[in-house]
Amino acid sequence: GNSVTQMEGPVTLSEEAFLTINCTYTATGYPSLFWYVQYPGEGLQLLLKATKADDKGSNKGFEATYRKETTSFHLEKGSVQVSDSAVYFCALRSGGMTGNQFYFGTGTSLTVIP
Amino acid sequence: EAEVAQSPRYKITEKSQAVAFWCDPISGHATLYWYRQILGQGPELLVQFQDESVVDDSQLPKDRFSAERLKGVDSTLKIQPAELGDSAMYLCASSPGLAGVRETQYFGPGTRLLVL
Repeated sequence: GNSVTQMEGPVTLSEEAFLTINCTYTATGYPSLFWYVQYPGEGLQLLLKATKADDKGSNKGFEATYRKETTSFHLEKGSVQVSDSAVYFCALRSGGMTGNQFYFGTGTSLTVIP
Repeated sequence: EAEVAQSPRYKITEKSQAVAFWCDPISGHATLYWYRQILGQGPELLVQFQDESVVDDSQLPKDRFSAERLKGVDSTLKIQPAELGDSAMYLCASSPGLAGVRETQYFGPGTRLLVL
């Protein structure tokens, strides 16, 4: 079956620290992979995506590389800011019997302190 | 930039009452999704529409939940009767419906439901 596993939070970092949030997946076929961010009280916003192996998605200083050999899509940022405090969700989209379905991880809460 | 609209943003109701949520997807998007997100967890798909047809409602508690998208544009999700365990964020998302597995979903701001 299809599933996404994220590292558990919460994660607390000082401003300008390096961020890694681990994400691994299990999927049939060739999924696309996504990172979404959710700010308090809001819906999910697409942060970045990668649609095939070895693709790197990037946006707003965040990066993630689609690693088929390790079934991973870890999120990284070189220098976090207070404004990056949010919950981050890893997700995959895979073809299924009833159409293309999304599967989300449980989310990782990030707090950046000044 | 086009956005997915949802209303209301917040809803407080008593158990056993009926409640309804509305979603207007991005114009031209054929696929519409309703998710439930319990606090501290990831979104869980309730129902997926392709135009006006349901393509997946396997996780929808059909004894109390219903969803419709009559003209293939906006959609309504209803709960009747509401139970305490239905307290959650209800998220609507849409996607163009043309690009298959590579396609991105775009989410609305959600409706926060509290059942007392």
